[in-house]
Amino acid sequence: GESVGLHLPTLSVQEGDNSIINCAYSNSASDYFIWYKQESGKGPQFIIDIRSNMDKRQGQRVTVLLNKTVKHLSLQIAATQPGDSAVYFCAGTSGSGGGADGLTFGKGTHLIIQP
Amino acid sequence: SAVISQKPSRDICQRGTSLTIQCQVDSQVTMMFWYRQQPGQSLTLIATANQGSEATYESGFVIDKFPISRPNLTFSTLTVSNMSPEDSSIYLCSVSESTGTQYFGPGTRLLVL
Repeated sequence: GESVGLHLPTLSVQEGDNSIINCAYSNSASDYFIWYKQESGKGPQFIIDIRSNMDKRQGQRVTVLLNKTVKHLSLQIAATQPGDSAVYFCAGTSGSGGGADGLTFGKGTHLIIQP
Repeated sequence: SAVISQKPSRDICQRGTSLTIQCQVDSQVTMMFWYRQQPGQSLTLIATANQGSEATYESGFVIDKFPISRPNLTFSTLTVSNMSPEDSSIYLCSVSESTGTQYFGPGTRLLVL
């Protein structure tokens, strides 16, 4: 079945620096990936998504890169701010789409922003 | 995106009892999902709840332990039955759009003593 995992459990960066959070997946049939941010005491918050027909997608201060050859995706956060401190999860699905399939989550990376 | 609320936000329960968690959405949605997040861990899908049909459970989760109702397109409940301390977790509901994007509620934090 689907397996999605992260390389590092904790990432500490200086405020203002760029952060890169990595994620690997095992199921070649995965066709849709989402990055979530979870702050303490809250539910996961959607950040950005990408489909398998894309290599890169940009949002406000965030970029997701997808490398299907090595089954790897990353989340880049530019100019990190204290409010970026949270746990970040990647999630994927191998379903046919239409919103009918559940997500498989990676283990999560705790991003710590140092002042 | 849909606005999702859950009740209760947290609870402390005695082992052997049951707790029903409610999930309310501010718009009609076809698919709703229930996830469990054990302390310090990631999210695991419990089941998919489609209005008008029985919930579909993932491996390791059974209906007797986690009965789910989906009476209409804006509401669902998850019951955690005959609780033990191992059931202490955050329980989250989510809804999906046709694009596949899922949005999550704030979660219900359950502690079983």
